[in-house]
This record gives sequence, structure tokens and C-alpha cells, in this order.
Amino acid sequence: AQSVTQLGSHVSVSEGALVLLRCNYSSSVPPYLFWYVQYPNQGLQLLLKYTTGATLVKGINGFEAEFKKSETSFHLTKPSAHMSDAAEYFCAVSEGAGGTSYGKLTFGQGTILTVHP
Amino acid sequence: NAGVTQTPKFQVLKTGQSMTLQCAQDMNHEYMSWYRQDPGMGLRLIHYSVGAGITDQGEVPNGYNVSRSTTEDFPLRLLSAAPSQTSVYFCASSYGLAPGSGNTIYFGEGSWLTVV
Repeated sequence: AQSVTQLGSHVSVSEGALVLLRCNYSSSVPPYLFWYVQYPNQGLQLLLKYTTGATLVKGINGFEAEFKKSETSFHLTKPSAHMSDAAEYFCAVSEGAGGTSYGKLTFGQGTILTVHP
Repeated sequence: NAGVTQTPKFQVLKTGQSMTLQCAQDMNHEYMSWYRQDPGMGLRLIHYSVGAGITDQGEVPNGYNVSRSTTEDFPLRLLSAAPSQTSVYFCASSYGLAPGSGNTIYFGEGSWLTVV
């Protein structure tokens, strides 16, 4: 079985400050990990994903995330927040072949990011 | 959200009514799925399909039916709506099942459903 926990349902930062959104997962097999962003009244847009290879993954809009197997984490960061980053962010996990949840996405609860001027 | 179209975008139903949420994709994707989004709970998988004629249940299937007669369409049916089904529904599609093969999962814009 797989699960995702996002620490903090709301995160507030000042414009220009570091953004750190935390995600921890559990998976019985090597996972595939994703971050999605959702702007108000819109669908989900893929920010970045980790499948195999380099553990530091760069995505769109200056975001990046690092897969840390020992910590079962996939935290999302951005060095300098912009007002346009205000949105809800979802971490998701999917098990690879051999896992009981093969191919299925399991989402975290979401983190609402607020950016103050 | 290129290629995944959901209709209607907004709908109000009375308890006990039935309705169908439509989902269509024009990317020739094999894998399609329906999620519901509720505050503080993220997205939860309702039903999914790995190809025409093949469907299976997800995490929260009760109260919903699906069918997949064509590759393009994957409608979600509420047979007898209940207030607990008030939610935002998202349809998603991808070329294959395995994210590791480089597939990207595309989401529709969402359908806001209120059951009174």
C-alpha cells in the first residue's frame, strides 16, 4: 500500500523568501513521486516528477524537489517566492511494477501556499 | 490540461437525482480515471480504466458507475445523488499505466457538483 503525508495544510511566506513544502510517503516498492499545482477553480498541473535516476528533480516555474529514500521524503522548494506561486500544491505517489497500487496515484492532503508582498 | 475535456463544469442536483459527468480525451490515451477532491483530503480515486471495455474500482467507488465503450470517453454516473457526493470531480488520462515509462497524467478542468 502507498500513502502520502504533506506536513502543513497552510504555508505562508513573503515574496522573495524560500518556499519549502514538505512531503513524506510510504511505498512497498520503489515509488514514482509527483508534485502538482492547482490554481483556484482550475485543474491540476504537473510541476515535476521523480521516476528514476537523479534524485534532484527540476520542474517548471523554478521549483525543484529532492527524493531522499532514507527519509522517505520528496520536499518541494523554490529559492524565491513570487506572488504568482500562490496556489494549492499536492504531492502524489505511485508504486512501480510489483506494488499493489501499481499505476495508481495517491495524493496528499494538499498545502495551500500564500505569498505576502 | 491539453486534451481532457469535462462537462458540465458546474451542476446542482437534488438528492436522489441521477446524472452523468462526461469526460473525453483526444490523445488516444489508454488509461483514464476519475477522482474526487474534498477539502483537506486531497484527491481520491473513484474508478479507473486501462482501456476500452475494462474498468476497475478505486479507493471510493460507492455510489458511482463507469463504463468505457470507446478509448476517448469515460463517463461517470451518479445513480442516486447524495449530499455526501458534493465535491469537485476530476477526470485524468495518460498514455499508459506506468508513470516510470515517462507518461504524463493529464487532468481535466474539473466539475463542481453540489447535491442539495
